[in-house]
Amino acid sequence: AQTVTQSQPEMSVQEAETVTLSCTYDTSESDYYLFWYKQPPSRQMILVIRQEAYKQQNATENRFSVNFQKAAKSFSLKISDSQLGDAAMYFCAYRAMNRDDKIIFGKGTRLHILP
Amino acid sequence: KAGVTQTPRYLIKTRGQQVTLSCSPISGHRSVSWYQQTPGQGLQFLFEYFSETQRNKGNFPGRFSGRQFSNSRSEMNVSTLELGDSALYLCASSLAAGLIEAFFGQGTRLTVV
Repeated sequence: AQTVTQSQPEMSVQEAETVTLSCTYDTSESDYYLFWYKQPPSRQMILVIRQEAYKQQNATENRFSVNFQKAAKSFSLKISDSQLGDAAMYFCAYRAMNRDDKIIFGKGTRLHILP
Repeated sequence: KAGVTQTPRYLIKTRGQQVTLSCSPISGHRSVSWYQQTPGQGLQFLFEYFSETQRNKGNFPGRFSGRQFSNSRSEMNVSTLELGDSALYLCASSLAAGLIEAFFGQGTRLTVV
């Protein structure tokens, strides 16, 4: 069975600094997607960034980038120039490719931004 | 374009009652999935519907059920509510099953007393 593990329940970062959130996963599949979702107090789950496992190049979206290490089954999220609006719960998630819509989530990391 | 709409936003029910939650996907989306979010268990997959058919089901008791209508709107039902069913229930929609992008609603906060 696939699992997603986030080992950091909470993290804090100074505004404008850089922070990295960790995620490891386990799967026997070769084709899959990995995601980072953000859940602010409004509870809306927002997709931050995604990575297709077959792509070697790490995904980037503005201030957000990932470090995808397929062999190590590691998928960390780097947030550069942290802003107050980045404060939220961040979930790492996995989804098998071309099968179904089931997303497997990690337990989440609560990120605090210090002004 | 309207997003995923879940109703109601908040609900308080008594143990033993049943409840129905509704999810209207983004227009044109045919796949709807449901998740339960609790502080202890995190986000857990409940079930997935595509074109009115349940394609996948998570590890939840039979008290949890769902359905999807021809307009892709989905409902989930929980019968004989237990205190442990208190959670945020999230719905996600995508254009078709298996596509990358899933869009989430704001959820229904269910409290069982």
